[in-house]
Amino acid sequence: DAKTTQPPSMDCAEGRAANLPCNHSTISGNEYVYWYRQIHSQGPQYIIHGLKNNETNEMASLIITEDRKSSTLILPHATLRDTAVYYCIVSAAGGTSYGKLTFGQGTILTVHP
Amino acid sequence: DTAVSQTPKYLVTQMGNDKSIKCEQNLGHDTMYWYKQDSKKFLKIMFSYNNKELIINETVPNRFSPKSPDKAHLNLHINSLELGDSAVYFCASSLPGAVHEQYFGPGTRLTVT
Repeated sequence: DAKTTQPPSMDCAEGRAANLPCNHSTISGNEYVYWYRQIHSQGPQYIIHGLKNNETNEMASLIITEDRKSSTLILPHATLRDTAVYYCIVSAAGGTSYGKLTFGQGTILTVHP
Repeated sequence: DTAVSQTPKYLVTQMGNDKSIKCEQNLGHDTMYWYKQDSKKFLKIMFSYNNKELIINETVPNRFSPKSPDKAHLNLHINSLELGDSAVYFCASSLPGAVHEQYFGPGTRLTVT
């Protein structure tokens, strides 16, 4: 799986958009970008994933650059409950990885009032 | 209506003991996983099962043995517990066609003294 690089921490004001970047310059053509988050003392939570098109769901939007070497997770209106560690993971959808999620250090997002 | 549940939530035991952690999911998923999160918060996959068959077995000591009595359950048995086994263990599950969209349980904090 391709390696990802994320800033160790970010701050965001409540109600504002939180934009979390992720670099994955060695991503392969068959690899997806997945985002998870882990709120303190809870299990990780799946947020969104994408291959090359931008994606949106009820939790967030995912913007993937045209060359697919980086992406941004957008929480449009951050709340205090969005304070968590956010993980960007790159992995092929199938094959030998078969569900193996490789979590890195992630980005600690702190949403403040 | 808990999706993925684990018991116990906390487990404190002495070195050399044998213990089990149970996991159950009511999502109808075919694939289940065990992850370990150590004191430095690194989250790493240990095992994955698909329809009761072992798929992923990372470099985990033989003292760890997963058991899947049916598709809804994946238990983790640990023999001869060591201090280094202290961690939070997470169970997760997914559909076979969406193995990277995993639903995690609340975790079991194991402390070996």
